[in-house]
Amino acid sequence: QLVLTQSPSASASLGASVKLTCTLSSGHSSSAIAWHQKQPEKGPRYLMNLNSDGTYIKGHGIPDRFSGSSSGAERYLTISNLQSEDEADYYCQTWGTGSYVFGTGTKVTVL
Amino acid sequence: QVQLVESGGDLVKAGGSLRLSCAASGFIFSDYYMSWIRQAPGKGLEWVSYISSRGGMIYYSDSVKGRFTISRDNAKNSLSLQVSSLRAEDTAVYYCARARTGLAPIDYWGQGTLVTVSS
Repeated sequence: QLVLTQSPSASASLGASVKLTCTLSSGHSSSAIAWHQKQPEKGPRYLMNLNSDGTYIKGHGIPDRFSGSSSGAERYLTISNLQSEDEADYYCQTWGTGSYVFGTGTKVTVL
Repeated sequence: QVQLVESGGDLVKAGGSLRLSCAASGFIFSDYYMSWIRQAPGKGLEWVSYISSRGGMIYYSDSVKGRFTISRDNAKNSLSLQVSSLRAEDTAVYYCARARTGLAPIDYWGQGTLVTVSS
């Protein structure tokens, strides 16, 4: 079964960097994922598509501060130069035949 | 620009029904798979259903199978979700979203419509 695991929370100071992790379940380490940002009272926002080889394609208008990387079954989202507007929930998402799967989400707090 | 605008959310009693709609603009609607995803209060995102670009393939999550029906009208650039036999646990904001195929990431989301089911 395809499962995505995320840590519940992460925090960093304004201007610092934070690295979020999304771990794919056993047998799915070659899968691509997407990262999405969910701010309170707003619809989710697509950030990027991230491949197993670490290459990624960002959505329209996504700042350079957002980047992705991969290692084995782990997919990462790094937010550099953290801004107050980056305080949000971040979800990874992947897909299989006939379904989409979301991770449990990581809440990012800007200190 | 791409726009997805949901409507139809409401307060409804358990066992009741609603029809949610999503109006799409700014892209070739018939080229995209469309999905419904929901977020219950204080919970994460949960995929509900998707429909292929021409409507030939439809899938549902186990939690809504048999109670929800997704459909689309490519001539009107619209997506719908008929929700029936509603339960308290269906209370959520429902988002429509697009993807290029069923094996591609969701790349655009709407703002959502709130469904509240009272017991």
